[in-house]
Amino acid sequence: KAGVTQTPRYLIKTRGQQVTLSCSPISGHRSVSWYQQTPGQGLQFLFEYFSETQRNKGNFPGRFSGRQFSNSRSEMNVSTLELGDSALYLCASSLVVVVPWDYLNTGELFFGEGSRLTVL
Amino acid sequence: QKEVEQDPGPLSVPEGAIVSLNCTYSNSAFQYFMWYRQYSRKGPELLMYTYSSGNKEDGRFTAQVDKSSKYISLFIRDSQPSDSATYLCAMSRGGGYNKLIFGAGTRLAVHP
Repeated sequence: KAGVTQTPRYLIKTRGQQVTLSCSPISGHRSVSWYQQTPGQGLQFLFEYFSETQRNKGNFPGRFSGRQFSNSRSEMNVSTLELGDSALYLCASSLVVVVPWDYLNTGELFFGEGSRLTVL
Repeated sequence: QKEVEQDPGPLSVPEGAIVSLNCTYSNSAFQYFMWYRQYSRKGPELLMYTYSSGNKEDGRFTAQVDKSSKYISLFIRDSQPSDSATYLCAMSRGGGYNKLIFGAGTRLAVHP
């Protein structure tokens, strides 16, 4: 079974540019989350998507956005890049249990290898 | 104060030693507790996953959760050089929330 796939693995951008990162979850996983990892702040939650809807959002500025497609694949976008956006961006997928009133996460997240963004 | 506290180390042990890694947390709503291993320049790899309090064993790894003390531990028996990595604790409320709160990570080095 293939794991979580993220592309591109490495990229270099300059300040003011924008970037789009892609994530393909494990087959059958319908919840996709994004995290930012930096040496200073560690791993921080960006947002979570399920059924093409953003379900949770972390404490990041509006320059960070994302979306999920009907096949559960997800993209995140960072506009007007700043030097501080240099980080490893990690995507994680998980199984969900759909219940009549919503959905429940199993709590197990499986991460991809990440996209390492360098902003010059 | 951070929601999850984890000593960043580094922790250096000889091969074959028992390693104890710990995290404390402040939010009593956390119900799911995880340990991830992350090698340099790689994504975190899920090692152990525990719901609520109790112990869970998987090979050389044992995870313990004490919700009354808000304290979780990971024990590694017969440590190997290949265990050298950063170990991250993580926890979440579960339910409709998949937001993990991570500890800072403990860097472990197992030397032959």
